[in-house]
Amino acid sequence: DQQVKQNSPSLSVQEGRISILNCDYTNSMFDYFLWYKKYPAEGPTFLISISSIKDKNEDGRFTVFLNKSAKHLSLHIVPSQPGDSAVYFCAASAIGFGFNKFYFGSGTKLNVKP
Amino acid sequence: DVKVTQSSRYLVKRTGEKVFLECVQDMDHENMFWYRQDPGLGLRLIYFSYDVKMKEKGDIPEGYSVSREKKERFSLILESASTNQTSMYLCATVDSRNTEAFFGQGTRLTVV
Repeated sequence: DQQVKQNSPSLSVQEGRISILNCDYTNSMFDYFLWYKKYPAEGPTFLISISSIKDKNEDGRFTVFLNKSAKHLSLHIVPSQPGDSAVYFCAASAIGFGFNKFYFGSGTKLNVKP
Repeated sequence: DVKVTQSSRYLVKRTGEKVFLECVQDMDHENMFWYRQDPGLGLRLIYFSYDVKMKEKGDIPEGYSVSREKKERFSLILESASTNQTSMYLCATVDSRNTEAFFGQGTRLTVV
């Protein structure tokens, strides 16, 4: 059973608007979360992360929000640009409980229309 | 910058062949991973390794094995390739603080 879920396989947004990508997790031991971006025929690249001691982390146009009670995180991209079109994966791990691996969601394909 | 290099970008192999996918990292990281990416399924962990000569099964190890003879190199082996192993294979290494995974560029394997 998947411990990290991205229920929207795709999202289409107009350039300049906000993109919101969602991710849910089931394991309450997860205490560290990441977002990765992947272009076709390339490996995923790290985008932004958040520790469970925070509820928000911001880096330029990218902000990740964490709602621990709901076991939900989201990635906001503002403003969206055509170059943001890619597949986005969220990932989680349990660093405080003895890291062994990252668990990835199934990905959301973002299309930003010019 | 961390560099994770996979030996091939694209491979085409025949059913039943033994296939080797090689991954080399240059940052002296102990943890290395092999994932496969399939549409709708995301990244699924095949095998991982914490140290030289150590390996652990991930979520989908069937049909695969691994080798880690040197710290910088982690090889994925398809003992007898099958068409359902057609996929994008991604190697990753994780930093010492366990806070980020660094991926190679991926190998698109097609088994015919």
